[in-house]
Amino acid sequence: EAGVVQSPRYKIIEKKQPVAFWCNPISGHNTLYWYLQNLGQGPELLIRYENEEAVDDSQLPKDRFSAERLKGVDSTLKIQPAELGDSAVYLCASSLAGGTGELFFGEGSRLTVL
Amino acid sequence: DAKTTQPPSMDCAEGRAANLPCNHSTISGNEYVYWYRQIHSQGPQYIIHGLKNNETNEMASLIITEDRKSSTLILPHATLRDTAVYYCIVRVNTGNQFYFGTGTSLTVIP
Repeated sequence: EAGVVQSPRYKIIEKKQPVAFWCNPISGHNTLYWYLQNLGQGPELLIRYENEEAVDDSQLPKDRFSAERLKGVDSTLKIQPAELGDSAVYLCASSLAGGTGELFFGEGSRLTVL
Repeated sequence: DAKTTQPPSMDCAEGRAANLPCNHSTISGNEYVYWYRQIHSQGPQYIIHGLKNNETNEMASLIITEDRKSSTLILPHATLRDTAVYYCIVRVNTGNQFYFGTGTSLTVIP
C-alpha cells in the first residue's frame, strides 16, 4: 500500500514568488493535515481537513497561505507571495476516521526562500 | 489539549534500554498518550499509544503512571537506527488534533 505522497521534495524560490505543495493521502483516509516544521522545532499544525471540509485552520496565515482539498482526496497548499521566513519543511499527514488515530506522514516538502 | 514536557536531549548506549520520559500533568480522562519519532529528513513515524494501561508492541513499550500524569517510552534494546527525535503527544479520543512539542533528541552511542 502506498504511503502519503508529497511533491515536490525540495523547492527553492526567490522571495515574493508563489509556491505550491501537493499531497496525496493514503487511500481511504478522510482526515488530512498540513504541518509546518522549522529547523529544530516540532511540527506545527497549519490546517486539518475532514473530507473536503477544513475543520481547523486557525493557525493558517490566511493573508498568504491557502489550501484546498476539493474532492476530499488530494490536497494543495499554496503560499503567495513567499517570504524569507517561510523557509521550512511542509509535512502532510493523513489518518483514518474511527481507526487508532495514528497519523501517517509523508516525507515532507523542503522550501527554501532566497 | 493537555501540554507535554520532555527533556530536550538524551544519550543511550547501543544495546541498552532507552527510557524516554514525558510529563502530561494536565491530561484529561479521555486523552490518549501517543508517541512518534522523527528520523532526520523524514516525516514523523507512529510508535505506540495508550490510555491507562501499559502497552507493548514490536517497537517499544509504553508505561503510564497510575495517575496518568506522566509516561515513559521504553526502547528495550536501542540500536543506532533509533537515533531520532521522539515526540510525546496527548490527544482527545473524540478529536483528531495532534499537537507536537519540541520532543526529545535521542542519540544512541556505539
